[in-house]
Order: sequence, then C-alpha cells, then structure tokens
Amino acid sequence: GENVEQHPSTLSVQEGDSAVIKCTYSDSASNYFPWYKQELGKGPQLIIDIRSNVGEKKDQRIAVTLNKTAKHFSLHITETQPEDSAVYFCAASKVGSQGNLIFGKGTKLSVKP
Amino acid sequence: KAGVTQTPRYLIKTRGQQVTLSCSPISGHRSVSWYQQTPGQGLQFLFEYFSETQRNKGNFPGRFSGRQFSNSRSEMNVSTLELGDSALYLCASSRTERSKETQYFGPGTRLLVL
Repeated sequence: GENVEQHPSTLSVQEGDSAVIKCTYSDSASNYFPWYKQELGKGPQLIIDIRSNVGEKKDQRIAVTLNKTAKHFSLHITETQPEDSAVYFCAASKVGSQGNLIFGKGTKLSVKP
Repeated sequence: KAGVTQTPRYLIKTRGQQVTLSCSPISGHRSVSWYQQTPGQGLQFLFEYFSETQRNKGNFPGRFSGRQFSNSRSEMNVSTLELGDSALYLCASSRTERSKETQYFGPGTRLLVL
C-alpha cells in the first residue's frame, strides 16, 4: 500500500524566513497531494493541494512542487509569520481510493518573532 | 457555508463500553470519510461513505463501524472500547467520491477511554 514519509518532524524558523517541508510517497498511482495545517484543538485545514498533472502551484506565500519521477512533493512557505506556527501534514491518494488519504507524520513548524 | 460539524466534541468512556460519534458534512457534500488521529500513529483512515455505501475501509478491527444516512450525515460506532481507542476522531467531507476531490475536515471528537 501507499506510504508517505515527511521531513523534518520539527522546524523552527525566524519570522520572515522561508520554511520547506518535504514528503515522499511510494505508490506511483497516487495522483492527488494535499497539504493540511492543524492548529491546537482544531481539525486539519486544507492550505493547498496539487494534482499529478501539475508540477507547481502557488497561492500567495504558499507553494507546492511535485516531482512525479522522484515521487516527492514539497511545501514552501515564504515570509513566515508567527501565525504560521502549527503542525503541517502532507497526504496522498489515488484514483479509486479518493476518500482514503494517506498522511505523513506531520511537521511542527515554529515561527519565532 | 457552514463547515463540517462533529458531535460530541469530547467524550469520556470506560473500557468495554461502546460509543457513537456523529458527523454532518458541508451542505451539498455527499462523501464522508473518518480518520483516527493519535500521537503515535498519526492520522489513519478508518472508512469512507458515499451515497450510504461504504466505499473504502482502512485497516481497523471490526469493532469500528460506520454508516451514512440519506441526508449524507454519518455516524461511526466503536464497540467494546479499549484504552488504545483514545484518540481524536476526525470526519472529512467532499462533494463527490471522484478522484482528486478536496476533503474538508471537522474539528474532531476527542475520545478518552479510561
């Protein structure tokens, strides 16, 4: 089955710096890759997603890149702010198993003012 | 548009009891998935329902079950609770069961088994 690995598990940056979180997946049939942000006491919130026919997607300070050949995708946050502090999860799913997201273990991002 | 709602938000049970959790999807969404989140195992898929039918099931014992009603609301049930069932149970909804549909999560139900 699919396996998603996420690195690093913790990341601390200064406000204004960039943060990069990387994930690799094992199943080449995976074709949908969302990123979620989870704040304490809340459910995961979708921040950006990418589909297998796209290599890069950007939304303001957040961007995601996908390399299907290498089977990895990354989240880039630029100009980080204290409110970006949270746990970030990457996930993957494939046709026929859309409701079944396989999640990475999460990255705890701390942005220091 | 209101988001995914889950009730109750917190629950304390004792070993051997059973529990039922409820999820109301975003209006117009017909697919509901359930996940278990624990510090050790992270987020793990339980099952997915679409049009009252279970479409996918994760690797959990038969004590975990679910159902979906005609209005797309869903419930999950855990029987004969064990200490290890203590977790945050998350429900997510999407418009359809088709590939690449975005899933939106509710706030979760935190279950503590004593």
